[in-house]
Amino acid sequence: QQQVKQSPQSLIVQKGGISIINCAYENTAFDYFPWYQQFPGKGPALLIAIRPDVSEKKEGRFTISFNKSAKQFSLHIMDSQPGDSATYFCAASTQGGKLIFGQGTELSVKP
Amino acid sequence: GAGVSQSPSNKVTEKGKDVELRCDPISGHTALYWYRQSLGQGLEFLIYFQGNSAPDKSGLPSDRFSAERTGGSVSTLTIQRTQQEDSAVYLCASREGSGGTYNEQFFGPGTRLTVL
Repeated sequence: QQQVKQSPQSLIVQKGGISIINCAYENTAFDYFPWYQQFPGKGPALLIAIRPDVSEKKEGRFTISFNKSAKQFSLHIMDSQPGDSATYFCAASTQGGKLIFGQGTELSVKP
Repeated sequence: GAGVSQSPSNKVTEKGKDVELRCDPISGHTALYWYRQSLGQGLEFLIYFQGNSAPDKSGLPSDRFSAERTGGSVSTLTIQRTQQEDSAVYLCASREGSGGTYNEQFFGPGTRLTVL
């Protein structure tokens, strides 16, 4: 019930390509869905977040697509760059409380 | 301004010893969280402090783990009688605002704990 499932575990994309990471959840009480980016040796940093009252949110090259009925959400990185190479985590929470994280996706963007 | 800071950045200890990990949240942030990041378990919630409310301890894996937050600011995570499976990166995060808001959680750099 509390799990968030994330796929794929790793992803290799060519520079300029689109990176897509998917997450699914079970708990319908979740009402906040952030994506975090983590570089080696650093703590996670918020990339973009969405509430379930909208189906899509875009910030620059990053877009979250949200499907409430399917209980799924995804991160799309357009025009992927080598500097985007990092580990990405989806997460979910209720009312600003604890974050339940997906297992993480290690993205490598090849030049 | 300053972000979330954690100390030490690395800690190596022997099995059975107690350790204390410190978190200094962003000034004015009322919510403070501890998470653990390990290869096998990913990022796991441990404990959450919100203002003067009783902490949410639902993620603590055993009674060897405890945490306190003094004066609504600095927090210390204590692990007693450490075991090798406690080896992980312990991350602290803080957030502005009261419960029911959706402000960003800002993470510190973490403390890497190695139990020999």
